[in-house]
Amino acid sequence: GEDVEQSLFLSVREGDSSVINCTYTDSSSTYLYWYKQEPGAGLQLLTYIFSNMDMKQDQRLTVLLNKKDKHLSLRIADTQTGDSAIYFCAESIREGYQKVTFGIGTKLQVIP
Amino acid sequence: EAGVVQSPRYKIIEKKQPVAFWCNPISGHNTLYWYLQNLGQGPELLIRYENEEAVDDSQLPKDRFSAERLKGVDSTLKIQPAELGDSAVYLCASSLVGGAGGINEQFFGPGTRLTVL
Repeated sequence: GEDVEQSLFLSVREGDSSVINCTYTDSSSTYLYWYKQEPGAGLQLLTYIFSNMDMKQDQRLTVLLNKKDKHLSLRIADTQTGDSAIYFCAESIREGYQKVTFGIGTKLQVIP
Repeated sequence: EAGVVQSPRYKIIEKKQPVAFWCNPISGHNTLYWYLQNLGQGPELLIRYENEEAVDDSQLPKDRFSAERLKGVDSTLKIQPAELGDSAVYLCASSLVGGAGGINEQFFGPGTRLTVL
């Protein structure tokens, strides 16, 4: 079955890089996602990676995928106070459609 | 373009009372989801609609929860009667799911925070 695990909390200083890690169990995952949730708001898709890719870069965001170890990471360069939020790792598996399973979220605190 | 709209944003009720949540998805999105988010947890799927049809309601506690999506647009989620353990955030999301199996980008509403006393 699907299971996505993340650490609960990360604290970084403004300007430093943040690395949020995630592990998943289902090797048949098609896509892996990073969603961001700000206080009082719904989740918003930040970026995603197809399972046959190793890396994807999008401005300050770098996603690394180690399919052998079922490990996904999100690196945020030059972290800003506006990046403070909860980051959810998610995987999707094709079951007629891409069924998405979310992790419990990592709370990122950026210290000015 | 407006995002996913949910109401109310907050609801406080006493146990055993009924409660209903409303969701208006993004225009044109054929798939609508209701999720439960407990404090410190990720969203857990309750029910998924493709147009008007509930195609995955395996996680919906059917003894007290019900949902409908009339005309394949707006949806309501109802709890009757509510229990203390139902206190959580109820998220609605929508997406445009096609047959090609591309990514499933879900757009979330802000959620309804339910407190059952």
